[in-house]
Formats: sequence, structure tokens, C-alpha cells
Amino acid sequence: TQLLEQSPQFLSIQEGENLTVYCNSSSVFSSLQWYRQEPGEGPVLLVTVVTGGEVKKLKRLTFQFGDARKDSSLHITAAQPGDTGLYLCAAHALTDSWGKLQFGAGTQVVVTP
Amino acid sequence: DAGITQSPRYKITETGRQVTLMCHQTWSHSYMFWYRQDLGHGLRLIYYSAAADITDKGEVPDGYVVSRSKTENFPLTLESATRSQTSVYFCASRLTSGEMYEQYFGPGTRLTVT
Repeated sequence: TQLLEQSPQFLSIQEGENLTVYCNSSSVFSSLQWYRQEPGEGPVLLVTVVTGGEVKKLKRLTFQFGDARKDSSLHITAAQPGDTGLYLCAAHALTDSWGKLQFGAGTQVVVTP
Repeated sequence: DAGITQSPRYKITETGRQVTLMCHQTWSHSYMFWYRQDLGHGLRLIYYSAAADITDKGEVPDGYVVSRSKTENFPLTLESATRSQTSVYFCASRLTSGEMYEQYFGPGTRLTVT
């Protein structure tokens, strides 16, 4: 059972369009991370959100942490082919003293020219 | 170069053979992790380590063994490889700062068991 549910599983859009990826859970987290993974490579950290309601921007990417710290979203404005990749959210349960991360299954984003 | 390296990047082995995947990090991070990534399952934790000589099981540890005699190295051994262990394996290390649990991943090892 996935602690983190990501939706959609797959997203294919044209260059210039906007997209939103969601990461949801019934658990409360102290922090949540978003990673992007390109084919043949390991995931690369994009951002960490810590405070409920927090919004962080990374160029055309906007990350939001839910007020209750149970969910998060990633919004990409004017997507480009370079945004293609597998987007993963990850968080650790408050009850886990080791801070092990649980990962969502990922959203595969394909941006075509 | 600083970072996490994994070797080999690709490996083909036969069922029943012992295989060791290597992981080396240059940041002196205390925590290190091994994951496997399979289609439909995402990243699943195999083993993790909080420091040298401190290791513990993750979600899918069966058939795997780890050791950590030095902070910078965290090898993963498949004692007797099975076809179900065909996967892409990622090593990661963690910077812990307050509530930040950000992990940094190696490039992965693609293992095929025939």
C-alpha cells in the first residue's frame, strides 16, 4: 500500500501548456520532497516543503504543501520538452524515528514540441 | 568528483549467482539507503544505514545483505540471485538538517538475472 498516492500516473501535453501533478495521503508529514527522474538516471531533488500552506517556486515550477500537511501539488507553467521526466513525491511518516522516506509511484510527464 | 557513485552501471548474471553492487559517497553523509525501482511499484526501500556498522531492513529485504564498515561505502549483495531481483537499483545518501530529509541518489545499477 502506497503511503503517497500520485495522480495522474501519466500525462502527455504539448509544449506551452500547463500541467499539475498531485500527491495525496491520509497521513500528516513533517516535510515533503519532489524529485524528477530522467531515463537512465537517479532521481534528483527539486524542492522540499516544510510548512503547511507553503508555496515554493523554481522557475516555471510551483510547489504547494497543503495546509494540513497531508498533500502537495506541483504545477508547471508553459511546459517545455526539457520538463519531460518521472516526477516523484516523497515524505516520511511522523511516527518513523529514522526518517525513512516513502515514495509515491510517480507521474510520468511527456512534453512534446 | 563529489557525489554518489554506483558500480557497475549494468550487470547481467545467472540465477543462483552471488552479486555485489557497490555504492560510494564523498559527502560523509551518515545515512545511506538502497532502493529498487520496478515498473508499477516505484522506489522500494531494501536496506538502510544510519552510520557505519548500523543497518536495518526496509520494505523488501529478503534475498539481500548489506554491510557498512566505512561511512562512505554501502555495498548491497544478492546472495543467490533470482529472476525476481531483476530491477534497477539505486543507492542514496541523506543530508539531515532539522526536518529536512532530502536524499541524493546515485545513477543506478541495472541488474538483469537470467
